[in-house]
Amino acid sequence: GDSVTQMEGPVTLSEEAFLTINCTYTATGYPSLFWYVQYPGEGLQLLLKATKADDKGSNKGFEATYRKETTSFHLEKGSVQVSDSAVYFCALSQKGYGNNRLAFGKGNQVVVIP
Amino acid sequence: DTEVTQTPKHLVMGMTNKKSLKCEQHMGHRAMYWYKQKAKKPPELMFVYSYEKLSINESVPSRFSPECPNSSLLNLHLHALQPEDSALYLCASSQPRALSKETQYFGPGTRLLVL
Repeated sequence: GDSVTQMEGPVTLSEEAFLTINCTYTATGYPSLFWYVQYPGEGLQLLLKATKADDKGSNKGFEATYRKETTSFHLEKGSVQVSDSAVYFCALSQKGYGNNRLAFGKGNQVVVIP
Repeated sequence: DTEVTQTPKHLVMGMTNKKSLKCEQHMGHRAMYWYKQKAKKPPELMFVYSYEKLSINESVPSRFSPECPNSSLLNLHLHALQPEDSALYLCASSQPRALSKETQYFGPGTRLLVL
């Protein structure tokens, strides 16, 4: 079945550092890809998305490019802030018309130290 | 506006209680979802409603009973829950589209504690 793999373990970095979170996927067909962010005590917020190969999603300084050749959708930000501390989930979407399912990665806790 | 609202924000209930969670969206979406999320884990799909009809039930125990009274509202009725049902319950909505072009928008969740 469809699946998403995120790099293991939390990510701890200093303010203004460069952030990369790896995400690879296994899917048949042409899924859409998403990054969701969950701040402490809150629900999931859509951070960015891409619906076809070579699309680049971007929002709030974060970017990710849909790479079909490497089945990847890595998240990057050039200069993180303390306020970026959160859990980040990569997800893919298959099917539609009311049978839409999201396959989530395990998530990565990002901690930004001042 | 991509807002999904959920009430209550927090809920504590005993194993013999009956309670309900409520979700509302005004984006005109015709698909709505319930998820359960345990600490440090991704959300797990429970139910999907499409055009007010239940389209997916992920083998959820009958002590959880969903209801979709209209296209904007989604309820989750809870009865005789167990302590292991304590979790964050998330609602989401999307506009049905072909293939995989739907985007799900999540609410803030209800944090449930079963004593």
